[in-house]
Amino acid sequence: AQSVTQLGSHVSVSEGALVLLRCNYSSSVPPYLFWYVQYPNQGLQLLLKYTSAATLVKGINGFEAEFKKSETSFHLTKPSAHMSDAAEYFCAVSRYNQGGKLIFGQGTELSVKP
Amino acid sequence: EAGVAQSPRYKIIEKRQSVAFWCNPISGHATLYWYQQILGQGPKLLIQFQNNGVVDDSQLPKDRFSAERLKGVDSTLKIQPAKLEDSAVYLCASSSGLAGPDTQYFGPGTRLTVL
Repeated sequence: AQSVTQLGSHVSVSEGALVLLRCNYSSSVPPYLFWYVQYPNQGLQLLLKYTSAATLVKGINGFEAEFKKSETSFHLTKPSAHMSDAAEYFCAVSRYNQGGKLIFGQGTELSVKP
Repeated sequence: EAGVAQSPRYKIIEKRQSVAFWCNPISGHATLYWYQQILGQGPKLLIQFQNNGVVDDSQLPKDRFSAERLKGVDSTLKIQPAKLEDSAVYLCASSSGLAGPDTQYFGPGTRLTVL
């Protein structure tokens, strides 16, 4: 069975500092991996996804993530945090033969201090 | 391009009442998903449609939840009767296909409070 674990339910950084949100997955077959962002009272918006091409994936708003099979990780990073990055971030996994069903982690709330 | 539309945005009901949520996916998207997001948790899939057929409803509490997607476009999710633990945000999403890497596009959600 697949699962996703996000380390840290809350992360706080200063504006301009590095953002690192951690995600580890469990899957018996190569997975597809996603990062979504959710702003208050809004739906989820795709930041980036890994689909077995390049292991370093670049997304919107300056975010990127690296797929590391040996560590079963897909951590999300951004070199310099902006106030507008404050939101909830979800890591999710799917498999090619499960109809696109997404399994989400519990989420990490990112706060950005001025 | 219009996104996924959901209504109502907020709903407050008392336990044992019934409630219905509506979703209109992105035009042309064959696959439609309903997720339940309880406060402090990630979304959990309730049911998935491909056109007007059910692909996966393994986590749908069928004794009280029902969903339909008539004509393969709009969808309605119903809860009858509601319980306190049904308080959550109900998210609708759509994608163009069934493949694992297909991007799902989410609506704004309906926030349900059961008193």
